[in-house]
Amino acid sequence: SQQGEEDPQALSIQEGENATMNCSYKTSINNLQWYRQNSGRGLVHLILIRSNEREKHSGRLRVTLDTSKKSSSLLITASRAADTASYFCALVRETSGSRLTFGEGTQLTVNP
Amino acid sequence: NAGVTQTPKFQVLKTGQSMTLQCAQDMNHEYMSWYRQDPGMGLRLIHYSVGAGITDQGEVPNGYNVSRSTTEDFPLRLLSAAPSQTSVYFCASSNKVSGSADTQYFGPGTRLTVL
Repeated sequence: SQQGEEDPQALSIQEGENATMNCSYKTSINNLQWYRQNSGRGLVHLILIRSNEREKHSGRLRVTLDTSKKSSSLLITASRAADTASYFCALVRETSGSRLTFGEGTQLTVNP
Repeated sequence: NAGVTQTPKFQVLKTGQSMTLQCAQDMNHEYMSWYRQDPGMGLRLIHYSVGAGITDQGEVPNGYNVSRSTTEDFPLRLLSAAPSQTSVYFCASSNKVSGSADTQYFGPGTRLTVL
């Protein structure tokens, strides 16, 4: 597939727990981005990780990238009810210039 | 800055009608794009533009036209609406054009229903 495939499709956890979402892909990429979408809203950019990077942090977010396994993970630590949203990985393939290809997303529910 | 704005927020059309979804950005971004999102799915690219006067097709361009006469505006036209075009439409913009895509900024979306 030319898009990222997120796993799991849905994840339900308790507040304070960590949430891990995975994204696998099959093509060579230039970079991989993670976005969040709250219900009924547009997408908000979280983190961009380039193909020569292995890990990036932003606040409670940690993203890893393993280009040999063609996979990425998004870890949200100490989750909050406000983290409830859909999370999407988006690929920029080496051959696609500026085009992003989105996966189908992981629906995260954080229960208070 | 207002960022990326889209109008209208909601629209109901009858089959065969035409309409234009508006998108504007005030960040002087070169790259703009239109996506559609169907229930439970990710976003699919309809059309995109790497600068004024330049547009290209994405994954699902059929039934849609675009133009880019200015850097700020990127309208999406539905030529003859069909029920299959019922969806939520998002416009996005980003700074980088060459090399790799930079962070994309999304508008709030237009929810379109075609009866």
